[in-house]
Parts: sequence; C-alpha cells; structure tokens
Amino acid sequence: QVQLVQSGAEVKKPGASVKVSCKASGYTFTSYGISWVRQAPGQGLEWMGWISAYNGNTNYAQKLQGRVTMTTDTSTSTAYMELRSLRSDDTAVYYCARVDGLVIDPYWGQGTLVTVSS
Amino acid sequence: QSALTQPASVSGSPGQSITISCTGTSSDVGGYNYVSWYQQHPGKAPKLMIYDVSNRPSGVSNRFSGSKSGNTASLTISGLQAEDEADYYCSSYTSSSTVFGTGTKVTVL
Repeated sequence: QVQLVQSGAEVKKPGASVKVSCKASGYTFTSYGISWVRQAPGQGLEWMGWISAYNGNTNYAQKLQGRVTMTTDTSTSTAYMELRSLRSDDTAVYYCARVDGLVIDPYWGQGTLVTVSS
Repeated sequence: QSALTQPASVSGSPGQSITISCTGTSSDVGGYNYVSWYQQHPGKAPKLMIYDVSNRPSGVSNRFSGSKSGNTASLTISGLQAEDEADYYCSSYTSSSTVFGTGTKVTVL
C-alpha cells in the first residue's frame, strides 16, 4: 500500500535550517510529484511548493522563495524539504503529500513538527 | 496568492445536511475543475474527501458531495453524524500552485 513516512520532530534556533524527509513506498516514485504543506499551531493549511519526482522540476510559494529548497533522491524514493533562516513563525507541522498530475491525492505523510525557539 | 474564503464555522444537528462554501476567483476556483476538500480531525493529517470538484476517493462516504458554480465551490454533508465534527478545508489548483481555503469548523450539535 502507498505510504509516505516522514522524519521526526525537530527543534531549531532562529536563523538555523531544517531538512525534513519523506520516504515513499508502495508506488512508482517517479510517476508522481510531492507537495509540501505546513500548518502553524491553531492555523490553517499553507501550500509550500511542489517537486516532480520525475525530473526534479519545482514550484515554490512566493512567500518562501529564496528560503526553501525541495529535492528528491530517486534511488531511495525519498523527498526532502529544506527551510533556511528559520523564524519563530515557521513553527508548524510540515506534511508531504503525493501529487497526481495537478492535484494532491489522498496520500499524506504523518507530519513533522518543527519548533523554532531560542 | 490569497487564501480561498470559507465560513469560520458551520453547525448542524445529527441527521441534518450542512453546506460549506469556498469562494475564490476566476484564477483559481472559477478557472479550473481542480477543487478538493479535506477533513481534519485534531492532531491528524488532512484526509481527502472530494477531488476534481465532485469526485469521492475510494472509501469516502457518499454522504459527502461537492459542487461548483462560478468562483464558489461547495461541500455538502448529508445525514450529519458525530464523527463528521472536524475542520474542513477546500483547495484549488491555480497556475502551477495550490491554494487552500481558510478552513471551516463543523460542529455537530
């Protein structure tokens, strides 16, 4: 069955970077994309960007341009999201989700809590 | 890209039907038939309930239905049950990106 398993919770200081992984199984990794979505405590969902696992093409949310990088490792069927220059308002649960064509499909990771605190 | 607009809260009694609206623009909801709806219980990942405006993924109850008119999409939950109490988010494709709605808390009275 399709599974997306994310790395564990992280605590970072302001200004640091974090890299979250999302390991896929149960499907042909390069046939789909991966989107990253975050949710600050008590807030709504925010789309961060998308990467094609087929060719590595990316598209990032405008507000995160310059601070976020999404990559994939097709040899391990793993997607990564790196966020730099962390601020307190980056504290959130970060989710990866599989993308089929243009839309996010039913398969999501379990979420990774990233806490930014001095 | 601005978030799609949803009512903050909607409530109903068990067995009733409720409808949640999701208003965007001609650049997102109105421009594509790629509207999705998610249900999220506290501490859980979002669960896809509707995709491509009105399609249900396998395993989702037929009490959930979706529609769209112009720049506004809607999610209807019929035969409301206690387990339907959750947050609901719409989303839409929009020129190489995705935009989510502001979220609606559904309360079963």
